[in-house]
Amino acid sequence: NAGVMQNPRHLVRRRGQEARLRCSPMKGHSHVYWYRQLPEEGLKFMVYLQKENIIDESGMPKERFSAEFPKEGPSILRIQQVVRGDSAAYFCASSLTATDTQYFGPGTRLTVL
Amino acid sequence: LAKTTQPISMDSYEGQEVNITCSHNNIATNDYITWYQQFPSQGPRFIIQGYKTKVTNEVASLFIPADRKSSTLSLPRVSLSDTAVYYCLVGDILTGGGNKLTFGTGTQLKVEL
Repeated sequence: NAGVMQNPRHLVRRRGQEARLRCSPMKGHSHVYWYRQLPEEGLKFMVYLQKENIIDESGMPKERFSAEFPKEGPSILRIQQVVRGDSAAYFCASSLTATDTQYFGPGTRLTVL
Repeated sequence: LAKTTQPISMDSYEGQEVNITCSHNNIATNDYITWYQQFPSQGPRFIIQGYKTKVTNEVASLFIPADRKSSTLSLPRVSLSDTAVYYCLVGDILTGGGNKLTFGTGTQLKVEL
């Protein structure tokens, strides 16, 4: 059973470009969470999605950030018009149900030049 | 969400038992205690979870006193490969509400020969 997959593992963007981060949850998992980790800090919750629905986006910045988890395909975290402060590691986690353990992917390291 | 406090760093030697204590004075009735391990450039890895008393699995034990205001992660006979950051999390698990994990800065464990 493959774990949580994320791609790309590393992403470099220039200021003003768009970044798209993908997450494929573990097989059978329909709950997906996105977290951001700045250097030397712990992970910060961003958004929680269940197939086709955003359940909790209380940790998402109000502008430029969006997330989706379509019926088919991976979950996408989209950052429009990136700025240097968006440089961080973005982790996706998935769980079987809302109350089950979350399993994390390897992360995408975004660098904004 | 209950706030957690844990030591910033700990040092140990191979073969020793390591105990990392986490304080969570305002833990709520619905909260579970979960520990994750994170290596550099990787996503957090689930170690163990508990609600009260003692939980043991193949890699660690978790001790939770009756008042649940603290918990101790015990790693038996550590090796160099156990060098990592260990996070203590306290989460409110509500059916249908997801589990918005809150990571602190964790405890950096360094194991030496």
